[in-house]
Amino acid sequence: NAGVTQTPKFQVLKTGQSMTLQCAQDMNHEYMSWYRQDPGMGLRLIHYSVGAGITDQGEVPNGYNVSRSTTEDFPLRLLSAAPSQTSVYFCASSYTGFTGGYTFGSGTRLTVV
Amino acid sequence: GQQLNQSPQSMFIQEGEDVSMNCTSSSIFNTWLWYKQEPGEGPVLLIALYKAGELTSNGRLTAQFGITRKDSFLNISASIPSDVGIYFCAGPSSARQLTFGSGTQLTVLP
Repeated sequence: NAGVTQTPKFQVLKTGQSMTLQCAQDMNHEYMSWYRQDPGMGLRLIHYSVGAGITDQGEVPNGYNVSRSTTEDFPLRLLSAAPSQTSVYFCASSYTGFTGGYTFGSGTRLTVV
Repeated sequence: GQQLNQSPQSMFIQEGEDVSMNCTSSSIFNTWLWYKQEPGEGPVLLIALYKAGELTSNGRLTAQFGITRKDSFLNISASIPSDVGIYFCAGPSSARQLTFGSGTQLTVLP
């Protein structure tokens, strides 16, 4: 049982480049979210989804796009990378919504130079 | 958005000591969650609280849902080296969103 799988684990981008962070879960969870973690700021919600075909913005959505074409996958796209997007990104999923607690992936550490 | 204030920001304790940390919200929550994050990993759920006044344990960890519904507390008894990590509180900022505190970095000294 893989749980929540994120790829890649590390990535370096140049300013202006685009890329997609992958997230896949094999638990048939409806709820999926993307968070970014910066020192001293906890985790901040970027985008979330409550099921295939349904996405919505979180606290810090600017510069990021998401789609949810299947229950399993929830990719996060950086449209034009900026140094301010240097962070650790976590994908999370839940069967019952946030009140049941999310299962997190192990993260993608992104550096934008 | 809603703010979660978590304190202390960091703690350095001796192995065997007890630890206390807390989290306060600017508004009422109906759920409190406590997570632990180890280096290089994502957060892992430790304890979930759903009722004001609720006291729940998970091994040496005990968490309480404050009576005012604006705060929560996490205690760790008889700390051991593997307790090292960042502890986060979290609560619902809306019907569909979870807000996290800024974390308490715990270091256990031998």
